[in-house]
Amino acid sequence: GAVVSQHPSWVICKSGTSVKIECRSLDFQATTMFWYRQFPKQSLMLMATSNEGSKATYEQGVEKDKFLINHASLTLSTLTVTSAHPEDSSFYICSARGSLGSYEQYFGPGTRLTVT
Amino acid sequence: DAKTTQPTSMDCAEGRAANLPCNHSTISGNEYVYWYRQIHSQGPQYIIHGLKNNETNEMASLIITEDRKSSTLILPHATLRDTAVYYCIVRAGYAGNMLTFGGGTRLMVKP
Repeated sequence: GAVVSQHPSWVICKSGTSVKIECRSLDFQATTMFWYRQFPKQSLMLMATSNEGSKATYEQGVEKDKFLINHASLTLSTLTVTSAHPEDSSFYICSARGSLGSYEQYFGPGTRLTVT
Repeated sequence: DAKTTQPTSMDCAEGRAANLPCNHSTISGNEYVYWYRQIHSQGPQYIIHGLKNNETNEMASLIITEDRKSSTLILPHATLRDTAVYYCIVRAGYAGNMLTFGGGTRLMVKP
């Protein structure tokens, strides 16, 4: 089956620093990748959608200059949280969808970010 | 995409069938019903999906009513490892559409 990995699985950083999270599709080419955020005891909230080689489309209320998304290849997307603050502490989950004809989304294991 | 309504939480005895309901009364003809689950601190895991026929796989069965306004996910023999939040999602079957998560049902399987 389709596998999506994320790195790191957890990270602790100091307030004001930037953190990069990687999302990889291991055995398929992901033309579209999605980034979700999940706060404790809440559901997943879509942050942005990115297509390979294009700029990401952000959901309303998500700051594009704070959450930088790069989808430079068909197997890798990165989310950089810039100038992180404690309120950015959350569980970040990426999801990938294959090439045209397959609409299924496959999810990564998530990255726990803690900003101190 | 159509909105779904699920109970907030449910309990089930280990070894018994877990029946998780979902209402999607505004579902359109081209929308599928998907079920995912999320075990604590993990990414969502795909379970099953269907359009109008009942579906079964190694994990679960999906029963969709004839009018497609509701569905039930059945875990035939629940185990402790099935304790998770179960999400019922309705999504149109075209490339531009993504999965939008609601509140889900927190299933607690008890020994």
